Amino acid sequence: EAGVAQSPRYKIIEKRQSVAFWCNPISGHATLYWYQQILGQGPKLLIQFQNNGVVDDSQLPKDRFSAERLKGVDSTLKIQPAKLEDSAVYLCASSFSDGDTYEQYFGPGTRLTVT
Amino acid sequence: AQSVTQLGSHVSVSEGALVLLRCNYSSSVPPYLFWYVQYPNQGLQLLLKYTSAATLVKGINGFEAEFKKSETSFHLTKPSAHMSDAAEYFCAVSDRTGGFKTIFGAGTRLFVKA
Repeated sequence: EAGVAQSPRYKIIEKRQSVAFWCNPISGHATLYWYQQILGQGPKLLIQFQNNGVVDDSQLPKDRFSAERLKGVDSTLKIQPAKLEDSAVYLCASSFSDGDTYEQYFGPGTRLTVT
Repeated sequence: AQSVTQLGSHVSVSEGALVLLRCNYSSSVPPYLFWYVQYPNQGLQLLLKYTSAATLVKGINGFEAEFKKSETSFHLTKPSAHMSDAAEYFCAVSDRTGGFKTIFGAGTRLFVKA
């Protein structure tokens, strides 16, 4: 079974530039998550999709971050414009359902450096 | 709101020694608890989970954790550390009051000395 795919793996941009990350979840997984992991901290949920609908985006900085999951499969997370404090690893995860006991499977992440 | 506290940002053990990583949680209702492991430049991988069944949970790679409601703890243990166990470990909690959103602790980095 193929895992969660993310690209790019690394990205360096200057502040005020824009950047986009892509995620392909495990086939058949209805729920997709984007997390932000700042160095030295645990992952923080940015947005959760159930199929192509948003379940939770309460911690997404909507003035600069946006995400979509067209057709309920792949997802894209965008930052525009980027700030220095956006430097982090962005993790995508998927699960079979949004049920409480279902395991989340994580991708390798995209390490973003904003200079 | 639920929360997780991991005691000790760094833990160092000798190869073959007991591994003990501490996690305390806060939740107003019965929680679901998880331990994840993260190797360098990789995503998180589930080690084990507690979902209100047996209080002693066995996971992969010889790890286990015990849910203690009276102590609000879910400590992770392994009887004998191996060099390959060196990684970052995250404790996480979710419950129905938070819509089952998973809240992660800050993580504990485990070092294993030869």
